[in-house]
Amino acid sequence: KAGVTQTPRYLIKTRGQQVTLSCSPISGHRSVSWYQQTPGQGLQFLFEYFSETQRNKGNFPGRFSGRQFSNSRSEMNVSTLELGDSALYLCASSPQTSGGTETQYFGPGTRLLVL
Amino acid sequence: AQSVTQLGSHVSVSEGALVLLRCNYSSSVPPYLFWYVQYPNQGLQLLLKYTSAATLVKGINGFEAEFKKSETSFHLTKPSAHMSDAAEYFCAVSAGNTPLVFGKGTRLSVIA
Repeated sequence: KAGVTQTPRYLIKTRGQQVTLSCSPISGHRSVSWYQQTPGQGLQFLFEYFSETQRNKGNFPGRFSGRQFSNSRSEMNVSTLELGDSALYLCASSPQTSGGTETQYFGPGTRLLVL
Repeated sequence: AQSVTQLGSHVSVSEGALVLLRCNYSSSVPPYLFWYVQYPNQGLQLLLKYTSAATLVKGINGFEAEFKKSETSFHLTKPSAHMSDAAEYFCAVSAGNTPLVFGKGTRLSVIA
């Protein structure tokens, strides 16, 4: 089976712009979670989507949003980019909803640099 | 709420030496615990997980971890370090249907 894929892998934007990142989960997986990874804050949960519905949301401002499509592919959008949004954005998929004993399978990430 | 503390942001060992990466957790309900590894420019890969079936959990690449409720710990060990083990290691906790909460990570260096 193909793993979790994320596009693009690298992105450079300027402050104030918006960006959309894409994640394709492992075939058959219905849950997609997004994480932000930075040297200072580590790995922080952004949100989770399951069957096109947002199931959980982390403590991030409303500039961060996401959605999931009927084929389980997910996108996350960040509007009005700030310098502090520079990070590695990781997507993870799991067969069922995350949490409990469910294993999450991570993609390689999209590295976003905001100038 | 759950939390994870990884003691030591950087651990350095000699090739062939014991690897010990420390993880302590806090959870108000019985936790599920995970260790993930991240190689440079890659995503995270599951090493092992504790699901309450057995306190000693064996994972991939010769790693294992022991769940100790009395110490609220889930330390990761490997008897003999290999150069290929150099990476960043993350401990994570989940309880109920809550999202994974990760520790800050420990970077493991292996010296030849």
